[in-house]
Amino acid sequence: QQQVKQSPQSLIVQKGGIPIINCAYENTAFDYFPWYQQFPGKGPALLIAIRPDVSEKKEGRFTISFNKSAKQFSLHIMDSQPGDSATYFCAGYKLSFGAGTTVTVRA
Amino acid sequence: EAQVTQNPRYLITVTGKKLTVTCSQNMNHEYMSWYRQDPGLGLRQIYYSMNVEVTDKGDVPEGYKVSRKEKRNFPLILESPSPNQTSLYFCASSSRAGVHGYTFGSGTRLTVV
Repeated sequence: QQQVKQSPQSLIVQKGGIPIINCAYENTAFDYFPWYQQFPGKGPALLIAIRPDVSEKKEGRFTISFNKSAKQFSLHIMDSQPGDSATYFCAGYKLSFGAGTTVTVRA
Repeated sequence: EAQVTQNPRYLITVTGKKLTVTCSQNMNHEYMSWYRQDPGLGLRQIYYSMNVEVTDKGDVPEGYKVSRKEKRNFPLILESPSPNQTSLYFCASSSRAGVHGYTFGSGTRLTVV
């Protein structure tokens, strides 16, 4: 019943690397594609989101790319830093969330 | 301040003793939702509500009840808690369009012994 399927489950990169997280969605009625970031002990917080009328959006070191035909959207963390180590979730229709990706950035 | 308020933050209870976790938002949001978060399992949706008196099951609704009698409140009820409901619970809300994202509460850490 999950509306979005997220991969991979975890990622480890070196500082400066570019972790990429993917999210596949089912419901084409959804028109808002967000990514959330969660640090241990905290609730998720909106990181960046995209509308389907654009293929890419950048906010600082975070980039979303959107592929409407493949029904996928991805999060790229450019020049990753140890402070980016967190769990990342994509979200979909009816406030459902992906299973999460734990990103670890090693110094 | 725009926020989602959950109470309590921490709760230890015994098996079978009914409990309610409250959730209130002050942003006039239509959508509200409850999640549980367990290690390695991400955020699993329990119930969601698209407006007053409109609720629907999420991925893991068994053992939980909700009600949405007012727009601002969306309580989560455990009629007969069991140890497998020990988890971290989050409430979230969103405007109908969701253009500003979902706002989450601070979480409720529930332990059922």
